Amino acid sequence: EAQVTQNPRYLITVTGKKLTVTCSQNMNHEYMSWYRQDPGLGLRQIYYSMNVEVTDKGDVPEGYKVSRKEKRNFPLILESPSPNQTSLYFCASRIAGGPYEQYFGPGTRLTVT
Amino acid sequence: AQSVAQPEDQVNVAEGNPLTVKCTYSVSGNPYLFWYVQYPNRGLQFLLKYITGDNLVKGSYGFEAEFNKSQTSFHLKKPSALVSDSALYFCAVRLQGNLIFGKGTKLSVKP
Repeated sequence: EAQVTQNPRYLITVTGKKLTVTCSQNMNHEYMSWYRQDPGLGLRQIYYSMNVEVTDKGDVPEGYKVSRKEKRNFPLILESPSPNQTSLYFCASRIAGGPYEQYFGPGTRLTVT
Repeated sequence: AQSVAQPEDQVNVAEGNPLTVKCTYSVSGNPYLFWYVQYPNRGLQFLLKYITGDNLVKGSYGFEAEFNKSQTSFHLKKPSALVSDSALYFCAVRLQGNLIFGKGTKLSVKP
């Protein structure tokens, strides 16, 4: 089954404790992206990647890091989480170029206390 | 600034009635336009898209959307709403490879 998976689905952590949210897709998509969803703000893009070893900032990159060492994986790293990063996070992927739709993962709900 | 607007935070419809969820955009050029739906505790699912050509686009679950270039709108429609259509709907515009999302409209369909 074609899908985007994220882990963990739920995470409660404390300020300053480094964490990684994994994202993996099995569709051989070149393009991958991370979003955060906050009430009243919709989805905002954090980082994206056009292909392996190619990443770029989205609209709200502060406090986040990403890497793209393999085509299928695109982990999101929070080096020192803060409470304002409490949010619902989505990973997505699609074929690069062209008018292709994105496939979204199920989401990771992160709470930073 | 380039943006997408969904002017209604919530739309309430009775089951069996037609529904419309509004979307307008402000971008230069000829963007790709998308609608996504998010059911509770789920990720976003693709509904339909407009690329070029016929202004009326048909998508999943009986939804359709009408592209209006002069009004820069891309409203989502369905002739007869179902209770199971209750969800959060997002309009999105694709610019330079990246999607810009509206803030979402919560659709509530009552029996």
